Amino acid sequence: GAGVSQSPSNKVTEKGKDVELRCDPISGHTALYWYRQSLGQGLEFLIYFQGNSAPDKSGLPSDRFSAERTGGSVSTLTIQRTQQEDSAVYLCASSLFPGQNTQYFGPGTRLTVL
Amino acid sequence: DQQVKQNSPSLSVQEGRISILNCDYTNSMFDYFLWYKKYPAEGPTFLISISSIKDKNEDGRFTVFLNKSAKHLSLHIVPSQPGDSAVYFCAALLLAGANNLFFGTGTRLTVIP
Repeated sequence: GAGVSQSPSNKVTEKGKDVELRCDPISGHTALYWYRQSLGQGLEFLIYFQGNSAPDKSGLPSDRFSAERTGGSVSTLTIQRTQQEDSAVYLCASSLFPGQNTQYFGPGTRLTVL
Repeated sequence: DQQVKQNSPSLSVQEGRISILNCDYTNSMFDYFLWYKKYPAEGPTFLISISSIKDKNEDGRFTVFLNKSAKHLSLHIVPSQPGDSAVYFCAALLLAGANNLFFGTGTRLTVIP
């Protein structure tokens, strides 16, 4: 497809379980970003990839969160031992180059932790 | 530490009238400012941007104004249409650094037919 895609679109899980969220950026985009939007909150930056490497992981909320990107394309965001406060919409975006003016967003994954 | 603030969580406007969405920021080093529009169950879509060296950018019904001395920008939509009803996010971009796009908390615009 032409845009950023994310899967699953919705995920409901029980507290304590691990979840994996996937992002397929626009083909050729070297930069990939993960954000989180909690209910009533703005967009919270989580992590950014330039190619396959993430220069700064300090935006991840806790050590239960990890992310990787392989082949300069697909990225996965993994949340271990999920907590109820992890419930949010997780958004992925990509841009042609790092720091480019416009980031193109995927539709998001709505995570609900029971 | 919220570097970009949208102090109005919601705004209602009559169809055909002007919608004015406001945004304030704290960092004078931002290079660009962007507006994104978000419908429920969708990711944000880019709407319009303005360079920090300009004070106005217009694209059809959408105009963004930047007042650097006041660290304030606004998005004007005229005439407003019911399809404009969405959440609007203001964002500020630093061209250097990893965490380079800072978002406000959004303003929900409702255009009443």
